[in-house]
Amino acid sequence: GAVVSQHPSRVICKSGTSVKIECRSLDFQATTMFWYRQFPKQSLMLMATSNEGSKATYEQGVEKDKFLINHASLTLSTLTVTSAHPEDSSFYICSAYPGQGAKTQYFGPGTRLLVL
Amino acid sequence: AQKVTQAQTEISVVEKEDVTLDCVYETRDTTYYLFWYKQPPSGELVFLIRRNSFDEQNEISGRYSWNFQKSTSSFNFTITASQVVDSAVYFCALSEGGTGGGNKLTFGTGTQLKVEL
Repeated sequence: GAVVSQHPSRVICKSGTSVKIECRSLDFQATTMFWYRQFPKQSLMLMATSNEGSKATYEQGVEKDKFLINHASLTLSTLTVTSAHPEDSSFYICSAYPGQGAKTQYFGPGTRLLVL
Repeated sequence: AQKVTQAQTEISVVEKEDVTLDCVYETRDTTYYLFWYKQPPSGELVFLIRRNSFDEQNEISGRYSWNFQKSTSSFNFTITASQVVDSAVYFCALSEGGTGGGNKLTFGTGTQLKVEL
């Protein structure tokens, strides 16, 4: 149980285009979903926290107009990187929290974005 | 502000050796949670353990053990008789507040463990 999927797993796009990444909790409903960014051989940095039906809460320094987060249902959150540039190339990881006293967030397998 | 420090960037050991991964944290909250996650080459983080700030009991799970010491703000992780499959990046993380897994996590920079034959 507690499986989180991300789609796509890998995406290459041209500079200036927008990319949408989906995060789904497959066997539970997530009260909260989180989006992290991980640079090569570095730590995970929280980008934003989203609750279903509410606006996402962004961490300091994260451009909310560039990284659009939509938490449309209790099992789906999307991250859209708008007008992507090479510096947005990174590994994006989502996590989902089931609530009800669950010990941890459950992490997706990540999406590797390469912007040319 | 909360902070997690993993001073060991990379550790290499030979199979069957014991290895300890260090984690030091900073927080002003009295209620907080500490976590360890494993990130294999595939990239997906795997939950290993969670500890709350009021429970300093050490824990053992198979070859894994954890030593939580509030006096030194440390939450170290030991793998006994390491195996090649233990090779991964290990992250220590901290969340403040009372809901544990549902709060935002602050991660350390990770320790790359390489176990060789």
